[in-house]
Amino acid sequence: TQLLEQSPQFLSIQEGENLTVYCNSSSVFSSLQWYRQEPGEGPVLLVTVVTGGEVKKLKRLTFQFGDARKDSSLHITAAQPGDTGLYLCAGAPMKTSYDKVIFGPGTSLSVIP
Amino acid sequence: ETGVTQSPTHLIKTRGQQVTLRCSSQSGHNTVSWYQQALGQGPQFIFQYYREEENGRGNFPPRFSGLQFPNYSSELNVNALELDDSALYLCASSRRGSSYNSPLHFGNGTRLTVT
Repeated sequence: TQLLEQSPQFLSIQEGENLTVYCNSSSVFSSLQWYRQEPGEGPVLLVTVVTGGEVKKLKRLTFQFGDARKDSSLHITAAQPGDTGLYLCAGAPMKTSYDKVIFGPGTSLSVIP
Repeated sequence: ETGVTQSPTHLIKTRGQQVTLRCSSQSGHNTVSWYQQALGQGPQFIFQYYREEENGRGNFPPRFSGLQFPNYSSELNVNALELDDSALYLCASSRRGSSYNSPLHFGNGTRLTVT
């Protein structure tokens, strides 16, 4: 069974602070995705990383895929209240496509104005 | 472009009853996946449908079943409801092609409460 772990589980920070969220597994994934989910809504895809060591930037968000494709991190610079939400990482097991993923338990982020 | 829509948005059922949840996939998508998300947890994969057939299943009992229709919409059926079935049920559609499979696009879910 392939499992994804995320840390921290909860994070409450002040507006303007930086933060990093981690996603770890003992398994190798062909790709890894990050989603953000707001209350009452479904997850929304932020980014997909495919290559080991890959770094992608989305405005103030920086995503990195580990060299061994077993872990990933999400770094947010100068967090804003609009960044508040549940951040989920999701991995596609080897030899499967982007649309068959398993999710981690999520990191609940609260950014206080 | 029409997104993924799910119905109903909320539902209350009694233990032992049966429930059917519905999902219309995003325009141009041909694959539907269903996930169960318990409160405070990440979504758990139930199953996926492609070309009207089940194309992968997670660790869920047979009382969880589904259908995909020719227009790519889908239903999730749960029989003999248990209290632990209370959760947000998410539908996600994607496009599976010969050379590229798109990521998942989620609906806003159906909140099922079993009493």
